[in-house]
Amino acid sequence: KQEVTQIPAALSVPEGENLVLNCSFTDSAIYNLQWFRQDPGKGLTSLLLIQSSQREQTSGRLNASLDKSSGRSTLYIAASQPGDSATYLCALPDNAGNNRKLIWGLGTSLGVNP
Amino acid sequence: NAGVTQTPKFRVLKTGQSMTLLCAQDMNHEYMYWYRQDPGMGLRLIHYSVGEGTTAKGEVPDGYNVSRLKKQNFLLGLESAAPSQTSVYFCASRLDALGNEQYFGPGTRLTVT
Repeated sequence: KQEVTQIPAALSVPEGENLVLNCSFTDSAIYNLQWFRQDPGKGLTSLLLIQSSQREQTSGRLNASLDKSSGRSTLYIAASQPGDSATYLCALPDNAGNNRKLIWGLGTSLGVNP
Repeated sequence: NAGVTQTPKFRVLKTGQSMTLLCAQDMNHEYMYWYRQDPGMGLRLIHYSVGEGTTAKGEVPDGYNVSRLKKQNFLLGLESAAPSQTSVYFCASRLDALGNEQYFGPGTRLTVT
């Protein structure tokens, strides 16, 4: 059964620092992996979707990488800003259920201090 | 496009009352989902639908019912609300199972007293 883990659960960094958020999964036979952002009291916003055939995807200061063989994806945030403070979640389709549902990590709560 | 919308945004119910949460999407997506989110528990799937007229149970379906009579709408019903159903409810949609992004609504904050 696919399991998704995000470590650390919380992270606090000074403004301007480059940082990496981690997402690990147990079954490497994945279709894709999606990173989301959730601001307090708000819904989830999709940041990046990386397909299984891709090694990385970039959007602005964000770069997501995927290494299926090691069961790991990372979200790299360059030059962090206070506005990046949010919870970041990763999710991937449940291949045991025909990819109909997403399996979720619990997220990493990021605080960027001015 | 409005994307995924949810009504209402907030609701307070008394134990035993019923209500329906409405989710609508204008992206012609086949798949729609209802989640609940509680502190420390992450997102948990309640029910989902893979097309008009279909529904399926998720991880925590007890106490909830759903209907997908029209492709663009997915309704979540609570027949007899309980305090354990106090939560934030999110609706989401996805075009299909084949490598597409999932989009979320803004959420409904429900309190059952």
